[in-house]
Parts: sequence; structure tokens; C-alpha cells
Amino acid sequence: EIVLTQSPGTLSLSPGERATLSCRASQSVSSSYLAWYQQKPGQAPRLLIYGASSRATGIPDRFSGSGSGTDFTLTISRLEPEDFAVYYCQQSGTSPLTFGGGTKVEIK
Amino acid sequence: QVQLQESGPGLVKPSQTLSLTCTVSGGSISGGDYYWSWIRQPPGKGLEWIGYIYYSGSTYYNPSLESRVTISIDTSKNQFSLKLSSVTAADTAVYYCARSSYGLDVWGQGTTVTVSS
Repeated sequence: EIVLTQSPGTLSLSPGERATLSCRASQSVSSSYLAWYQQKPGQAPRLLIYGASSRATGIPDRFSGSGSGTDFTLTISRLEPEDFAVYYCQQSGTSPLTFGGGTKVEIK
Repeated sequence: QVQLQESGPGLVKPSQTLSLTCTVSGGSISGGDYYWSWIRQPPGKGLEWIGYIYYSGSTYYNPSLESRVTISIDTSKNQFSLKLSSVTAADTAVYYCARSSYGLDVWGQGTTVTVSS
């Protein structure tokens, strides 16, 4: 099983600031199969990024993904009030599908 | 657009079987190269993939749950279902169904299942 480790656990930032979230895999993940999700309280997760760097439909361009192999990054260029949430990475290249433990982006 | 909706009992007794159904609307469950997934999230915790099924009936399960899980599909009703046997309090969670391609791109709203006597 591929273990995904996200860091930091919590990121305290102000609106307008840049957020950089890390996802490290215990073994190499094909970039085609690395995704990022946003989850707000009481809501289902929402797909932001698939294929490590492709934005899902309707996702603003302030969200971007990068990385390959075992190290992946989600960047939010300028935080909007609605971006404060929990973010998960997920791989689907090797069964079982696995998720990272999440990074909470909170208002400073 | 495609929408998913989970349904089933919100309370299950320990040792019994949890049964949930996901109804797909706005598109055919047999159309496209999609897998249909179940994911769960215990209170205050992260996401755990349970398994998925292809429209042909091929299934893939998380090894951690495989001995207790069955996922099935009914293409005539545009539904897929989850059965989890011998439940304990540790199975208390929000259960989501989702469509899987390169990512889990469409999710149901989730349904809370509590295991308690």
C-alpha cells in the first residue's frame, strides 16, 4: 500500500497569501494518478487537481499542482476566504487507492 | 450533469450488516470508462477508500476491509451498492459514493452511519 504523508498538518495564513501544501508518497506514484481534493465542514470532498497538475472543471486558476515520483505540491497562489478548508491528496495508480491525512488551511 | 445520492439506514447494530445504495442520475452507470467507488470518513478523521466496481461487475476492494465488503451494481436501476458485514463501532462514519476516473470527480453528499446497539 502506498502511504501518502501530507505536510504541514495545519497551515495558518491570511487571505491574499500563498499556500504551499506538500504530499509525499512512500513509493513512486504515476503523475497520471495523483489528485487533490478540498473539503469543507459538512461537505463532500471536491476534486481540484487530477493527473498531478490538471485542474478539474470549474476550478479557479489560483489552484495549481505540480510534482512527480514521490513528491507533489498543491499551491494556492492567493488565498480567498472560501479557500480555508482541509485538503487531501490521493493516489489511484496502485490498489488500494489511498489518501493522505490532510492539511488544514486556517485563517491566521 | 451526473449526480450521486446515497441511501440506507443511518443506524446499524453491532455484528449486523451495513447496506447502502448509491443512485446515479443524469447519466448512465454503464456509460464511459468509470469506476464507481465507496469511500468513508470516520468522525473527525480522514478519508478511507472502501472499494470500487466497474459496470461489467469487476470489483476491487481495500485489503483492510476485503473480508467484510461486497460491492454490487444494478445497471437496470442505475445503482450500485455496498454491504459491510460484522460491523463494529469502528465502522461509524460518513459513507460517500463517488465516480472514479483519473480522480474522484463526482461525489454524493454522504450519509452518516452509526453503529450502536
